[in-house]
Amino acid sequence: GAVVSQHPSWVICKSGTSVKIECRSLDFQATTMFWYRQFPKQSLMLMATSNEGSKATYEQGVEKDKFLINHASLTLSTLTVTSAHPEDSSFYICSASNGPSYEQYFGPGTRLTVT
Amino acid sequence: AQKVTQAQTEISVVEKEDVTLDCVYETRDTTYYLFWYKQPPSGELVFLIRRNSFDEQNEISGRYSWNFQKSTSSFNFTITASQVVDSAVYFCALSANFGNEKLTFGTGTRLTIIP
Repeated sequence: GAVVSQHPSWVICKSGTSVKIECRSLDFQATTMFWYRQFPKQSLMLMATSNEGSKATYEQGVEKDKFLINHASLTLSTLTVTSAHPEDSSFYICSASNGPSYEQYFGPGTRLTVT
Repeated sequence: AQKVTQAQTEISVVEKEDVTLDCVYETRDTTYYLFWYKQPPSGELVFLIRRNSFDEQNEISGRYSWNFQKSTSSFNFTITASQVVDSAVYFCALSANFGNEKLTFGTGTRLTIIP
């Protein structure tokens, strides 16, 4: 199956700083990428959907100015958590799809801890 | 709106026992897709199965089997002869499309297999 990578796999940052998480499709072109957030012992909640070359669509309650998503190429999407706070500590997972009739592949996730 | 309910929060069974994980969904779409994912302690989502709404045939894959019943909006997952390696959190999910639509996840069932 297709491979999606995320970098970094884990990151610790100080409160008030920004952190960028990368999601890459390694062997296919991802026209659509999704960003999910999973708090400890909870389910995955969609944060936003991004299509290559256009602005991301954010789910209700997700601050677009805090969680900046860029999908500038067909193989890379980035999520930047700006001015991170401890409550942003979570497991962030991306997924990618190369079309409406194709599978959605998940990355391994990035564990963010804000101190 | 779509909704997925996994009423069983945690299940523990002794190794070699059979176990069924329940999933009930709600959707207004006539075409939709149902998924099961496994999330081991490492956090990475492992795809198990996808089923479209027009295919109500049950499926068996090794020790895994799935029962899709449209009449009761259920998509249950059974593991026969459970093994310790089956210990994980299992998520049921729903999508309006195959690839480029967001997934709505259930809250997950934490399965513990006792040796």
